Amino acid sequence: AQSVTQLDSQVPVFEEAPVELRCNYSSSVSVYLFWYVQYPNQGLQLLLKYLSGSTLVESINGFEAEFNKSQTSFHLRKPSVHISDTAEYFCAVSLSSGGYQKVTFGTGTKLQVIP
Amino acid sequence: DSGVTQTPKHLITATGQRVTLRCSPRSGDLSVYWYQQSLDQGLQFLIQYYNGEERAKGNILERFSAQQFPDLHSELNLSSLELGDSALYFCASSVGNVFLETQYFGPGTRLLVL
Repeated sequence: AQSVTQLDSQVPVFEEAPVELRCNYSSSVSVYLFWYVQYPNQGLQLLLKYLSGSTLVESINGFEAEFNKSQTSFHLRKPSVHISDTAEYFCAVSLSSGGYQKVTFGTGTKLQVIP
Repeated sequence: DSGVTQTPKHLITATGQRVTLRCSPRSGDLSVYWYQQSLDQGLQFLIQYYNGEERAKGNILERFSAQQFPDLHSELNLSSLELGDSALYFCASSVGNVFLETQYFGPGTRLLVL
């Protein structure tokens, strides 16, 4: 069975400082990896995803994540955060099982950007 | 605004009751996905419909059912409600039937079971 671990439930960081949100997964087969962001009182938005190819994926708002197969990780990074990045971030893993796609979400990490 | 609409925004009901949540996908999207977000279970995928047919199933309880209508809107029916069903229910939509496509989420329906 697949699982996703987001070790940090909350991450406070000062504005313009770098941040890393950690995500580790376990699976015996190849997986697809996602990061979603949930702003207060809103639904989820896809931030970025890794399906294949380059292990470094980037989003349009400056976030990037690197798929590391040996460490089974997909950490999310941003070199300089803004107040508007305050949100909850969810890592997700998807794999094919019995003809269906199964998806498992992590428990989320709340990023609090401090002015 | 993702273009996905969900009604109602809030719902308060009692244990044992039945409720229906409605979702209208973005124009042109054929797939609808349902998710549950609760404090206990976190975020869970429930079910996907594509062009009226069930496409993928997640951790959906037998007390829950869904359908997608010819106009592509979808309804999630929750019956014999329990306190633990209190959660935020999200609907998402995408163009095709591939789960890995970008999904656009609605604002959610917050259900409180008393």
